[in-house]
Amino acid sequence: QITLKESGPTLVLPTQTLTLTCTFSGFSLSPTGVGVGWFRQPPGKALEWLALIFSDEDKRYSPSLKDRLNVDLGTSQNQVVLTLTTVGPADTGTYLCAHSRDQSWISPWGQGTLVSVSS
Amino acid sequence: SYVLTQAPSVSVAPGKTATITCGGNNIGRKNVHWYQQRPGQAPVLVIFYDSDRSPGIPDRFSGSNSKDTATLTITRVEAGDEADYFCQVWDNSRDHPIFGGGTKLTVL
Repeated sequence: QITLKESGPTLVLPTQTLTLTCTFSGFSLSPTGVGVGWFRQPPGKALEWLALIFSDEDKRYSPSLKDRLNVDLGTSQNQVVLTLTTVGPADTGTYLCAHSRDQSWISPWGQGTLVSVSS
Repeated sequence: SYVLTQAPSVSVAPGKTATITCGGNNIGRKNVHWYQQRPGQAPVLVIFYDSDRSPGIPDRFSGSNSKDTATLTITRVEAGDEADYFCQVWDNSRDHPIFGGGTKLTVL
């Protein structure tokens, strides 16, 4: 059974860096196309893809956010870490990670974590 | 970049059929996946590869895809089907997933 869970701060100050961890089980990252995707959803709005990681050599970023995003393998083999720099109010929303197959569907998803950017 | 277009909302009476569409240029040539997201919950994959039902999804849910429109059809709609529905494809040129804006299904 595949499970994923996001963890991190619920409140971040403007201009600070947001760091989120996705802890997963039931699969391993593979350069052949099994990875973890990061997504976010502002309140009442659509899903937005942020980043994908299949291996240390295969990381992909949303073109609109690539200058502020970084995704890395965590300290343990079942963790992926997302960082988003210089956050602002527009970065407020629910951040989700999910099991992602290259060129395919995305499932299952973590429960998501709500992050607010406010002073 | 590739754009997926969904109507913001669809309303249907219980027991009737809901049709949710996802428009895109030649979307019929792509694999389309559909997600259900109930309020306060994470998305759940309901249909993958245009028309395959995810395990545990009732056969009231079906999908099709042709030319410029992919369609999610829910027959005999129930109150529990009330949710946001998102379509998703893969942008092959940019190597990442793309989502439609979502359709809110309201059961009257």
